[in-house]
Amino acid sequence: ETGVTQTPRHLVMGMTNKKSLKCEQHLGHNAMYWYKQSAKKPLELMFVYSLEERVENNSVPSRFSPECPNSSHLFLHLHTLQPEDSALYLCASSQDYRQSNTGELFFGEGSRLTVL
Amino acid sequence: RKEVEQDPGPFNVPEGATVAFNCTYSNSASQSFFWYRQDCRKEPKLLMSVYSSGNEDGRFTAQLNRASQYISLLIRDSKLSDSATYLCVVTALYGQNFVFGPGTRLSVLP
Repeated sequence: ETGVTQTPRHLVMGMTNKKSLKCEQHLGHNAMYWYKQSAKKPLELMFVYSLEERVENNSVPSRFSPECPNSSHLFLHLHTLQPEDSALYLCASSQDYRQSNTGELFFGEGSRLTVL
Repeated sequence: RKEVEQDPGPFNVPEGATVAFNCTYSNSASQSFFWYRQDCRKEPKLLMSVYSSGNEDGRFTAQLNRASQYISLLIRDSKLSDSATYLCVVTALYGQNFVFGPGTRLSVLP
């Protein structure tokens, strides 16, 4: 079983749709992350949760709404997105947030989103 | 200035070549440094951490120069399977955790 699982792997939605991305980690980690990866741009951190509390929110538009019901699950709710939001959305987890930094982020395979 | 900058690439090298990637970071309070590897249409995965004294893992050697805020990755005897994008990652105790550079793409050619 892979450590971090994301669903769906691919999603096409219209600008008026509401959809959600799901992430589940089976590693017993305490921190979970959402990253956005657009073509030819660095990974952009969107949200961080540590022990189910949101600890970072990097000026992400309100049309993206995260939810962390427990330390193993993370959702990204999507509403009235724009075509420029089309990207690969990567979920990741790490043992702790601001740890002594063994540095390992474990990523899921990503959800490729296309907004029409 | 961007927080983490890397060679723009792409690097196209023949099998067996030695290739070096460079990375600079702007936050002098950065504490930990890593190289990640991302294959085409896959997720990033940790390749190796970068220690102050430099470290080696088989054909891969990482170096850190804190005074110059510079990190490097050297790959010796390149293999076709080394073809990927190499991401420099920096993290600080204060400030954003796990800041990624834009990546440098490597293609190893037969």
